[in-house]
Amino acid sequence: TQLLEQSPQFLSIQEGENLTVYCNSSSVFSSLQWYRQEPGEGPVLLVTVVTGGEVKKLKRLTFQFGDARKDSSLHITAAQPGDTGLYLCAGAPRGTSYGKLTFGQGTILTVHP
Amino acid sequence: NAGVMQNPRHLVRRRGQEARLRCSPMKGHSHVYWYRQLPEEGLKFMVYLQKENIIDESGMPKERFSAEFPKEGPSILRIQQVVRGDSAAYFCASSGGLEQYFGPGTRLTVT
Repeated sequence: TQLLEQSPQFLSIQEGENLTVYCNSSSVFSSLQWYRQEPGEGPVLLVTVVTGGEVKKLKRLTFQFGDARKDSSLHITAAQPGDTGLYLCAGAPRGTSYGKLTFGQGTILTVHP
Repeated sequence: NAGVMQNPRHLVRRRGQEARLRCSPMKGHSHVYWYRQLPEEGLKFMVYLQKENIIDESGMPKERFSAEFPKEGPSILRIQQVVRGDSAAYFCASSGGLEQYFGPGTRLTVT
């Protein structure tokens, strides 16, 4: 059983469309991170959300942390082919050592020109 | 400011040999983490170290795997007597606080 459930697992869309990726858990997290990983490379940190209800924007990307700090979402507006990649959410559940990140299984996004 | 460095990027070992993976954290970071990404699986935590101390090794296999982060020099993940199932991408991350920054990974292939 995955502690962090990401959905959808695969997403294939056309350039210009909007999309949302979800990251859900039954556990409470003190913070959640979103990463993007390209093939053959390590994950690159996009954002960290800490406060319940927090919304952070990074250009066309909007990240939200649920009020209860059990879920998060990533919304991309007007997707571009350059957004193609593997998106990962990660966090340390309350009660575990804060450095021990648990990762979702990832969402593979493909944006077609 | 250089990011997290890992070497080698690719490592091929025959069954029974030893594999040594190195990680140099970002400048100023004293926390190092190792993760493993198996084919078709997500990233899994292995071990969390600070200088000269293992903080959490709950994700490390009980046998053949060890990790260190000495006072001087890089962190080392050591796998003894490798088996085919050890083939994976091994990532190191470092932090100075909450956020972890990842290196490019070492891809280990056991033949």
